[in-house]
Amino acid sequence: KAGVTQTPRYLIKTRGQQVTLSCSPISGHRSVSWYQQTPGQGLQFLFEYFSETQRNKGNFPGRFSGRQFSNSRSEMNVSTLELGDSALYLCASSLGQGKDTQYFGPGTRLTVL
Amino acid sequence: GESVGLHLPTLSVQEGDNSIINCAYSNSASDYFIWYKQESGKGPQFIIDIRSNMDKRQGQRVTVLLNKTVKHLSLQIAATQPGDSAVYFCAETDSSYKLIFGSGTRLLVRP
Repeated sequence: KAGVTQTPRYLIKTRGQQVTLSCSPISGHRSVSWYQQTPGQGLQFLFEYFSETQRNKGNFPGRFSGRQFSNSRSEMNVSTLELGDSALYLCASSLGQGKDTQYFGPGTRLTVL
Repeated sequence: GESVGLHLPTLSVQEGDNSIINCAYSNSASDYFIWYKQESGKGPQFIIDIRSNMDKRQGQRVTVLLNKTVKHLSLQIAATQPGDSAVYFCAETDSSYKLIFGSGTRLLVRP
């Protein structure tokens, strides 16, 4: 079974631009979660989607948004990019039925110049 | 943010020795705990999990111990190998579907 895939793997943007990252979950998984990883703050939860609905949201500004499609694929968008948004953005998928294991993709490395 | 990631302690062990990585969790309501391994340039990889109704769980060469009294979690790796070198994260969750990660521990295996 294929794992979680994320595209693109690397991205360079400039301040003020916006960016869209994509995540395809493991087949059969209906929950997709997004995390931001930085050296200073570690791994932080952004949001989680299940059946196209956001079930939980972390403490990030409204510039960070996401959505999930009917095939469970998910996208996250960051608008008006800031230098501090440079990070590894990780997507994780799970069955979504209670506390089941989240499996991570390789991440998208975003650099904001 | 909720994850504390300012410090990354390092554990250096000799190949073949056992490794013990510790983690203190914060939320008394957390009832599901996971250990992940992250190698350079990759996403976190699931190692083993444990639910709060257990205090020990064993996998292949790995054992997780949970002490709810002091909110402490540990990962034991038997016969540590060079391929075990990575950063290890513990994560906790309650009923909110979000994982809260610890700051991580870097494991270095000396040949």
